[in-house]
Amino acid sequence: DTGVSQDPRHKITKRGQNVTFRCDPISEHNRLYWYRQTLGQGPEFLTYFQNEAQLEKSRLLSDRFSAERPKGSFSTLEIQRTEQGDSAMYLCASSFAGSETQYFGPGTRLLVL
Amino acid sequence: ILNVEQSPQSLHVQEGDSTNFTCSFPSSNFYALHWYRWETAKSPEALFVMTLNGDEKKKGRISATLNTKEGYSYLYIKGSQPEDSATYLCAPSHSSASKIIFGSGTRLSIRP
Repeated sequence: DTGVSQDPRHKITKRGQNVTFRCDPISEHNRLYWYRQTLGQGPEFLTYFQNEAQLEKSRLLSDRFSAERPKGSFSTLEIQRTEQGDSAMYLCASSFAGSETQYFGPGTRLLVL
Repeated sequence: ILNVEQSPQSLHVQEGDSTNFTCSFPSSNFYALHWYRWETAKSPEALFVMTLNGDEKKKGRISATLNTKEGYSYLYIKGSQPEDSATYLCAPSHSSASKIIFGSGTRLSIRP
């Protein structure tokens, strides 16, 4: 297994467009997390899944953001009507129930013009 | 909401020197403390997870200690090498599987 992968690695979009990112966790990891990181800050929690169930969602996640994990494997994060303030690194992590360690992907860097 | 503070924000160290930095967090409702290393253009890499007061963990030249009663953790690097240059993030959590709250990190640069 090559670890957590994210696609795309970079995305440039115009304000108002929709974007979707994908995360493939480590096989058999049943927990999947999304974080957002902006310059000079640590990653901020957005949402978390256990299998296909979305168990927690940050207040940072406005109605324009939606995340899914339909089959309990890969996950998608969609941002609708992007704004310049959405420009950030979006990180995905996965873990196995019973283990505290979260394994991170390389992130998707989003730039909204 | 956990308020996590890391100091210093950045640090420049001569190769071969030892260094340490601090993470402080509210001690109430503590469950675990994570340390991550994040090198530019790579994924954050888990270094340690600590849960018990007085825990000490070691991985090569890097070690960490934990004081849950007063709410702090120290990370030590012995004999710094250029490959240690990275941002070091600490992140406490309230409970198993809950979100982890990251500090803003300590950016370490090693001068050859």
